[in-house]
Formats: sequence, structure tokens, C-alpha cells
Amino acid sequence: AQSVTQPDIHITVSEGASLELRCNYSYGATPYLFWYVQSPGQGLQLLLKYFSGDTLVQGIKGFEAEFKRSQSSFNLRKPSVHWSDAAEYFCAVGANNNNDMRFGAGTRLTVKP
Amino acid sequence: GAGVSQTPSNKVTEKGKYVELRCDPISGHTALYWYRQSLGQGPEFLIYFQGTGAADDSGLPNDRFFAVRPEGSVSTLKIQRTERGDSAVYLCASSLLSRSNEQFFGPGTRLTVL
Repeated sequence: AQSVTQPDIHITVSEGASLELRCNYSYGATPYLFWYVQSPGQGLQLLLKYFSGDTLVQGIKGFEAEFKRSQSSFNLRKPSVHWSDAAEYFCAVGANNNNDMRFGAGTRLTVKP
Repeated sequence: GAGVSQTPSNKVTEKGKYVELRCDPISGHTALYWYRQSLGQGPEFLIYFQGTGAADDSGLPNDRFFAVRPEGSVSTLKIQRTERGDSAVYLCASSLLSRSNEQFFGPGTRLTVL
């Protein structure tokens, strides 16, 4: 079965600084890959997804992620972080036409003023 | 249009009791998913419905957990003889069943078993 590892439990960055959140997956075929954001008391919101094609995908709120098959990675990036980006971020990998999705444990982002 | 809704938002119960958690998916979404999110963890897949039938219930932890979707819309997750370890946030998601579907998540039900 597929699995996801998010190596960083908690990351702190200063507002305006760049951000990279790491995600490594394990899956035998081409995966469907996702990044979700969860703010306190809110449901999970999809930031972006990769199914096929261009390995650099653009998402909402200025986020992007790059699929690197050779590294089994799908890292999330943002060039300049805003205070409102403070939240929990989850990477997920889907299989079987995306009806079987597995989430990582999440990375909590804190933004310093 | 309304998103996925879940009721109740919070549920406190005593060990050994029976609970039901409800999910109202987005209208027209044929696929419905239940996840459980424990503190400090990512969502853990429980069960997936395609229409009225459970297409994959491999994530249900044991036979105390059961879910139904009798008319292919609203779903109810049922937990019998609750245990303290069942305390978690239970998330529901729905999607159109297509190759590039996105799962839309509800806000969750926080279950606390005392």
C-alpha cells in the first residue's frame, strides 16, 4: 500500500521568508499526489494536486509543488510566507483512481512576525 | 452551493455507549469517504462509498465500527461500545467520481469518549 512521510513535524519561518515543506511517498506506480492545508477549526482545503504531465504544479494561495519521481518527493514551496499561512499542512498520496488516499502525519507551520 | 457538512460538531460520550455521526456530502457527489484524525496525526482512511455501497471498508478498525449510506447521499458512521481510544476527529469527504476528482472535506466531528 502507498504511504507518505513528512519529515518535519514543526517548522517556523519569518513572514516574508521562503518556505519548503518536505513530502516523500512510497507507491509502486505513478501516484496521485496532494497537498492539503488545515487551519484550526477548519476542514482540510486542497492546495494543489499532481496527477500527470508537468511536474511543477501551481496551487492556490501562491503555493507550488514539484513532483520528483527519482526522489519520490513532492515538496511544497512558497516564495514569501504570509502570517495567514500558519496552519497544519498535509501531504497525501492516492491510488486506485484516487479512491484510496493516504495522508502524512502533517507539518505544523508557525509564522513569526 | 453548500459544502460537506457534519453533525454534531462535538460529541462527548461515555465508554461503552453507542454513537452516530452524520455526514451530508455535496449534492451530486457520488463518492463519500470517512477518515479518522487522531491528535497530531494525519487523517486515516476508514471507509469509502460509491453510491449506496461500501466499495472499500478496509480501514474500519474493528467490527464496532459500521457505516451506511442508504440512499446514496447522507452517510452515518456508527460506533458501538465506544472506547476511550475512539476519541478523535472524524472527517467526512465527498467527490465526483472521475479520474481527477478532488475530495472535499467537512469540518469534522470531534468525538470524546470519557
